[in-house]
Parts: sequence; C-alpha cells; structure tokens
Amino acid sequence: EPEVTQTPSHQVTQMGQEVILRCVPISNHLYFYWYRQILGQKVEFLVSFYNNEISEKSEIFDDQFSVERPDGSNFTLKIRSTKLEDSAMYFCASRSDRQETQYFGPGTRLLVL
Amino acid sequence: GENVEQHPSTLSVQEGDSAVIKCTYSDSASNYFPWYKQELGKRPQLIIDIRSNVGEKKDQRIAVTLNKTAKHFSLHITETQPEDSAVYFCAASRGANSGGSNYKLTFGKGTLLTVNP
Repeated sequence: EPEVTQTPSHQVTQMGQEVILRCVPISNHLYFYWYRQILGQKVEFLVSFYNNEISEKSEIFDDQFSVERPDGSNFTLKIRSTKLEDSAMYFCASRSDRQETQYFGPGTRLLVL
Repeated sequence: GENVEQHPSTLSVQEGDSAVIKCTYSDSASNYFPWYKQELGKRPQLIIDIRSNVGEKKDQRIAVTLNKTAKHFSLHITETQPEDSAVYFCAASRGANSGGSNYKLTFGKGTLLTVNP
C-alpha cells in the first residue's frame, strides 16, 4: 500500500539556521498538508497546498515558513530562521480529490538548539 | 475558527472492557470527523471516520457516533486488547459541501488509552 514518506526522520539545528523538511506524498494525491506536533501536545495545522499554491495557512505559518513543490513528487517545508519554539514533530499529509481521508507521513523530529 | 475539545486525556481499562472517548466541536459547518490512532513515535493512522449525514458508523470493534445538534462525537472501542494502547485523536474539518474544499483538520488534544492485560 502506498505511503507518504518524509526525510529526514530527525534533524538537529542551531537557532537561526534554515531547515528544509521533505515529503513525498502518495503519487496520485493532489492535496498536501503540513502539521506540527509539539511534544506532548496536539497536532496543529500549518498549511495546505493545492494546484501549486497555498490554499490555507494558520497563524503559526508566518513569514519564516514557506512551502514548495519543486518537482512532480516532492513537497517541502522550509523554515528560514529557526527558533527554539520550532522544535516539534512535523507531519506531512496528502489526500486524493476523491475522498476526505488524509494520510500522514512518519514525521520529521526537529530539534532547535 | 474550529475548536475541538477531547476527553478524557488519559483512560486506563482492563483488557476486554470497553473504552469511550468523547469530543466536542464548535463550528457547525464542520462535516467530516476522523479518528486517528498514534502509537509512540509513529505517524497518526486513520482508524475510522464519520460524515455529518450519518449518525453512527461501525467497523468491527470500533464505532463512532455523531450528534450534530449537540456538536459532539464519540469513539467506542469494545473488547479492548493491549495492542489498542495508544494515543487517540479526534479531528473535525469542513469539506466541499460546507463552504470549504480544504479539509484542514483541527485536532483534539488526544487521549492516552492504556489497556491493561
């Protein structure tokens, strides 16, 4: 069964550095999402992406964040200048246009020191 | 925006007992309600979902009920097994028939279910 994949699984970075988190959605899916989960807390929506543009973003998704679909398979989340509070698990999700179900990737655990 | 409240935050049951987790939502336009199971360090996995045109849905030992008037929905797990131990998240979203086509998910805070053998 196809799955969403994410790389890296873990990333440690220094405050102020840029990070890029990568996701490969399920191949026939058209809607892509990023969520984050701070340790011990609930999963929070960051941004949704469809037809090569952002369709919705949360207040968390400020100017330090950007998303891109650089080719036909990857979907990336960039954080330009990381802050300590960006430390979290970041999940990518995708869904097809035929159903509501979102399928989540395994996550990238980001630690900002 | 949507707000989802989930209770209890922790639930401990004996193997074979039933477990019930309850969620309420605030946006009356929400029409899709999935439940995800997350084992430690793993991705959230969809276990069951319900749409607002249905009051109840069952899949083997798992059932979900929805009360649109009261804006609450519940997950019921019967004959619990140790492998049911995990964090369970409810979520709500608007779909294409409800003034939105995005289906962004608003999650509850999660329930840590422990099934004791």
